[in-house]
Amino acid sequence: SYVLTQPPSVSVAPGKTASLTCGGDNIGRKSVHWYQQKPGQAPVLVIYNDDDRPSGIPERFSGSNSGNTAILTISRVEAGDEADYYCQVWDTSDHWAFGGGAKLTVL
Amino acid sequence: QAQLQESGPGLVKPSETLSLTCSVSGYSVNSGYYWGWIRQPPGKGLEWIGSISHGGYTYYKPSLKSRVTMSVDTSNNQFSLSLNSVTAADTAVYFCARSLRGGWTVPFDWWGQGALVTVSS
Repeated sequence: SYVLTQPPSVSVAPGKTASLTCGGDNIGRKSVHWYQQKPGQAPVLVIYNDDDRPSGIPERFSGSNSGNTAILTISRVEAGDEADYYCQVWDTSDHWAFGGGAKLTVL
Repeated sequence: QAQLQESGPGLVKPSETLSLTCSVSGYSVNSGYYWGWIRQPPGKGLEWIGSISHGGYTYYKPSLKSRVTMSVDTSNNQFSLSLNSVTAADTAVYFCARSLRGGWTVPFDWWGQGALVTVSS
């Protein structure tokens, strides 16, 4: 099975930049998608295909993917960005794999 | 805009079958999108269960494949999930979702609000 590794928690001050990582074997060869999930709500797709934003997602959200690490970057972090973030890839073995999730705390 | 709504029993006994339906509005289940089920145990992360195409073709998570069946009901614009031989480990919030566009490797951009299913006697 394909394993995606995310640090359980990330903290950032308002107005600063948050970098959330997602590690996987040669993940740079795959398309990575990112979801934001706030408590009690369904996940929201914030980045797809490494660095594309769905309509309605602020430009503050961006992504990159290379080697063994994909990164979701949130610029000018706001209190409303506090949430759990999950990375996702399609793999031929497990089909859809999710990372364990990272809780973003805005200090 | 698409709207998805899960429905089904909130309590299922161990060894029985969990059945959920996702009612879709705003789009036809036959419109070329793919549809999926994802679950989330309380306090834990997301787990993909399976996906189904508008034509009824399916992909299931390998570890659940022996227990999962998904189907599409075009006449009622809905799709469903059946998971048999459930245990307490199947207790979770179950989400239905729509893919961004047609294709197995396309992520999900519209999600239902989720339905909590508890497995307990």
